[in-house]
Amino acid sequence: QQQVKQSPQSLIVQKGGISIINCAYENTAFDYFPWYQQFPGKGPALLIAIRPDVSEKKEGRFTISFNKSAKQFSLHIMDSQPGDSATYFCAASMLSGGGNKLTFGTGTQLKVEL
Amino acid sequence: NAGVMQNPRHLVRRRGQEARLRCSPMKGHSHVYWYRQLPEEGLKFMVYLQKENIIDESGMPKERFSAEFPKEGPSILRIQQVVRGDSAAYFCASSPGTVGQETQYFGPGTRLLVL
Repeated sequence: QQQVKQSPQSLIVQKGGISIINCAYENTAFDYFPWYQQFPGKGPALLIAIRPDVSEKKEGRFTISFNKSAKQFSLHIMDSQPGDSATYFCAASMLSGGGNKLTFGTGTQLKVEL
Repeated sequence: NAGVMQNPRHLVRRRGQEARLRCSPMKGHSHVYWYRQLPEEGLKFMVYLQKENIIDESGMPKERFSAEFPKEGPSILRIQQVVRGDSAAYFCASSPGTVGQETQYFGPGTRLLVL
């Protein structure tokens, strides 16, 4: 009930291409969906987050698409750059009464090649 | 405004010893979360604390693990009698805890190695 499933496990994209990472959740009580970026040896850093009352949110080259009925959300990285090479985690939490503890996906290792 | 600070960054312990991990939240943040990350895995929630209170410890093992966030000073995650399976990266995150301020800011982590 608390799982967040993430795919793919790894992804190789050419510079300038679009990187797409998908996540699916089971618990319909989740109401906050952030994406985190993590570089080796560092802590996760928030990239972008969405609430279920909107279907899409864009910040720069990063876009979250959210499908409430399918219980799925995805991260799109436009014009991918080598500096985007990192591990990306989707997460979900319950802000309303859930204390906002994050349930993370298993991560996607993105490599952007020249 | 300094970010979330954790120390030590690396900790080596022998089986049976105690590990004490510290987390100083960002200035003005009163909510602290601890997560554990095993190699090649995502982060798993352990415990959520506010000043002087444990709010949710549902992800923390019942034995050997404890956490506190005193009125003064950093939050402490304590692991007694460590075993090899405790080897992992431990991250803390902090947030202001106010409505509309739900972002959790993560520290750099403490990498615990149990020999």
